[in-house]
Amino acid sequence: SQELEQSPQSLIVQEGKNLTINCTSSKTLYGLYWYKQKYGEGLIFLMMLQKGGEEKSHEKITAKLDEKKQQSSLHITASQPSHAGIYLCGAPGNQFYFGTGTSLTVIP
Amino acid sequence: SAVISQKPSRDICQRGTSLTIQCQVDSQVTMMFWYRQQPGQSLTLIATANQGSEATYESGFVIDKFPISRPNLTFSTLTVSNMSPEDSSIYLCSVGGGAAETQYFGPGTRLLVL
Repeated sequence: SQELEQSPQSLIVQEGKNLTINCTSSKTLYGLYWYKQKYGEGLIFLMMLQKGGEEKSHEKITAKLDEKKQQSSLHITASQPSHAGIYLCGAPGNQFYFGTGTSLTVIP
Repeated sequence: SAVISQKPSRDICQRGTSLTIQCQVDSQVTMMFWYRQQPGQSLTLIATANQGSEATYESGFVIDKFPISRPNLTFSTLTVSNMSPEDSSIYLCSVGGGAAETQYFGPGTRLLVL
C-alpha cells in the first residue's frame, strides 16, 4: 500500500506569515491532491498535480509536485485566519490514500 | 465534476441505536466510497460500494456494524449500527479517484453518540 506522510503535524503561525506543508509518498505519485478541511466540516478540494515539476496556484496557495514525483509541498503566502484548518494530501492508487494531515492555526 | 449531497448533515444519537446516512450523486458513478474521520485524525476508508455487488470492507470494518446499500448508480447508504460513543465521527461519501480522476467528496455527516 502507499503511505503519505505530512509534515509538520501541526502549525501555529501569526497572520501575515508564510508557511509550507510537505507531503512525502512512499511510492511514485501518479496524481497528488490537496484538500482543506475546516474544523467539523467536509473536505474542500484545493488542487490536483499530475506532472513532475508541476506547480499550481490558487489565490495565495501554491502547490508543487517535485520532479521525482514523490513529494509535494503546499505553500501559503501571507496567511490569514481564513486559512486555518486541516490540510490533507491524497493520492490515487488501488484505493485513495490520504496523508496524515496538518492542522493549521493562524493567530490574528 | 460531481455534486454530492449527504443526509443528515449532523445528528446526535443515543448509544445502542442505529443511524442511516444517505449519499446522493448528481451523475452515475460506478464506485462510491465511505470514509470516517474520527476527531483529530485523518480520513479512514470504511468500504467501497459498487452497484450490483456486495461492498468491500477495509480491515477493521465489518458489514454487521456498517451495512451499506447501493441500489443504483447515483445513491448509497451507510448505516452505523449499535452505536457507541467511539462511533462519533464525520462520515463522508466520495466518488471518483483513480489515476486520472478527481476525487469528489460529500459535505459529510457529523455524528455524535452520547
